[in-house]
Amino acid sequence: AQKVTQAQTEISVVEKEDVTLDCVYETRDTTYYLFWYKQPPSGELVFLIRRNSFDEQNEISGRYSWNFQKSTSSFNFTITASQVVDSAVYFCALSEVNTGNQFYFGTGTSLTVIP
Amino acid sequence: GAVVSQHPSWVICKSGTSVKIECRSLDFQATTMFWYRQFPKQSLMLMATSNEGSKATYEQGVEKDKFLINHASLTLSTLTVTSAHPEDSSFYICSARRGALSYEQYFGPGTRLTVT
Repeated sequence: AQKVTQAQTEISVVEKEDVTLDCVYETRDTTYYLFWYKQPPSGELVFLIRRNSFDEQNEISGRYSWNFQKSTSSFNFTITASQVVDSAVYFCALSEVNTGNQFYFGTGTSLTVIP
Repeated sequence: GAVVSQHPSWVICKSGTSVKIECRSLDFQATTMFWYRQFPKQSLMLMATSNEGSKATYEQGVEKDKFLINHASLTLSTLTVTSAHPEDSSFYICSARRGALSYEQYFGPGTRLTVT
């Protein structure tokens, strides 16, 4: 079974629009970590955020914000006022303590920001 | 801190030859390193987990004899693709973890392998 689901395969927005990337996860662990990574065309993964299962506080970092809701097993990522440089593939990932903190990646969402 | 490098960043080899990819943790000791493969427009798939000084643990469906992994030191792991075929062409990414129970993985920049 897929542990991390990113239902949106591709999204296109016009520059300056807001966009939300969805991530739904599945785990039986009480202690786990959630991550978002950005993968630009160069291929190198860029770490964006980490959240542990005990911290449901939403986080904002500049134009980026994350909404973690355990009740719906979701960890959504919003980019406000999108820019062309935001065009990339974004991956959500889950790390479970009981499986040795192995990473489970979602299938990724390809975001294209049109100028 | 926590920088992971990979070498080479890209490689082209002929079918039937072997190619070695290195993964190094530059400023920390990595007890565990992971190797992932990523096909175009797909997600990262874990191939194997290697712990320093012991044999790698391969994921189901990954051929041990084809993808040889060596983690001889706390800062270096190597992946050797033996008798490469065009279907092995992919983007290979390694990651390193500081401690056995650490939740942090630091990813290398990846190696693009093309087999002709």
